[in-house]
Amino acid sequence: AQSVTQLDSHVSVSEGTPVLLRCNYSSSYSPSLFWYVQHPNKGLQLLLKYTSAATLVKGINGFEAEFKKSETSFHLTKPSAHMSDAAEYFCVVSHNTDKLIFGTGTRLQVFP
Amino acid sequence: NAGVTQTPKFQVLKTGQSMTLQCAQDMNHEYMSWYRQDPGMGLRLIHYSVGAGITDQGEVPNGYNVSRSTTEDFPLRLLSAAPSQTSVYFCASTGGSIRNEQFFGPGTRLTVL
Repeated sequence: AQSVTQLDSHVSVSEGTPVLLRCNYSSSYSPSLFWYVQHPNKGLQLLLKYTSAATLVKGINGFEAEFKKSETSFHLTKPSAHMSDAAEYFCVVSHNTDKLIFGTGTRLQVFP
Repeated sequence: NAGVTQTPKFQVLKTGQSMTLQCAQDMNHEYMSWYRQDPGMGLRLIHYSVGAGITDQGEVPNGYNVSRSTTEDFPLRLLSAAPSQTSVYFCASTGGSIRNEQFFGPGTRLTVL
């Protein structure tokens, strides 16, 4: 069975400091992993995805994530937070099925 | 391309009423899905479709029906609304494989009184 755990429901950072949003997954097979972002009252937008190619994945807006099979993790990072990064972030797992399994989300706050 | 469109954006229903949430995409995608989003629970899959004429249940299908008569449209029906169905509903589509990006609509905020 597949599952995904986002370890923090809320993360607060100051503008210009690094961002780390943590995600651990469970999958019996080689998974596909995604990070989506949702700004207030908006739909979801894909930030990046991992599908068994390079383990370090670069996404939009300066975000990246590293697939670590030994740790079953897919943490999202950004070197320097911007005010516009304030949003909710979802880690998602799938393995060659028609279904995506969403984490419960991490709300990122960015303070000036 | 308009992408994935959903109507209405907001809806208030009384318990027991029925309604249909509309979803359409113009990207010729085979896969379409309906999710509901509730606070602290992420998105949960209600129903999905891998092509016209084919639908299947997701994680939380009870109280909802779907059909897929065309590639473009994937309506979600609430036959008898209940307060527990108060939520934000998202439709999504993806082309080729689920490993590809899912494109989400803007959502429908539904309140059942």
